[in-house]
Amino acid sequence: TQLLEQSPQFLSIQEGENLTVYCNSSSVFSSLQWYRQEPGEGPVLLVTVVTGGEVKKLKRLTFQFGDARKDSSLHITAAQPGDTGLYLCAHRYGQNFVFGPGTRLSVLP
Amino acid sequence: IAGITQAPTSQILAAGRRMTLRCTQDMRHNAMYWYRQDLGLGLRLIHYSNTAGTTGKGEVPDGYSVSRANTDDFPLTLASAVPSQTSVYFCASSDGGGDTQYFGPGTRLTVL
Repeated sequence: TQLLEQSPQFLSIQEGENLTVYCNSSSVFSSLQWYRQEPGEGPVLLVTVVTGGEVKKLKRLTFQFGDARKDSSLHITAAQPGDTGLYLCAHRYGQNFVFGPGTRLSVLP
Repeated sequence: IAGITQAPTSQILAAGRRMTLRCTQDMRHNAMYWYRQDLGLGLRLIHYSNTAGTTGKGEVPDGYSVSRANTDDFPLTLASAVPSQTSVYFCASSDGGGDTQYFGPGTRLTVL
């Protein structure tokens, strides 16, 4: 199993601030996924990054895959309370998926 | 389209009791998964099924069993529940060749 580490574990910020969360591993991945999980619900896929150095944008969220395909970052611009949730990175390992422990984000109004 | 449904939503169970968590999907996905989610540990795979009639063990399979009699249903059974199985359980499915997993709303299980 190729382990994923995420940082920070917890993050509490004010509405309007910018933030970046990270997903790291010592292994090279063919692709990496980011999910968001809201309280009381299951995770929902946000994006899949495939190419080293790739940058994908989803409204105020910017996802980047490291050049070496060992790490990824998620940057949120002008965070809003609706961004509150648990952000998980994951990768496909054979027929299965491995998840990182997540970053729990709280955006205060 | 419902996607994935799980039942029950929550359950309190006495240690030693048998419990089956239900999962049904209507997307005709080949692959289905069961995860448990514990604070600080993320989602850990319990069992999976790549297609109807086949199952496999994940990272934490001990104390759990699954069956896949058809494409839509993937029940998870705890034969004799123990307190360490207190967790939130998520069922998921994916199109076998794709990277996207679709998750159910989860079952919160407490074993006393």
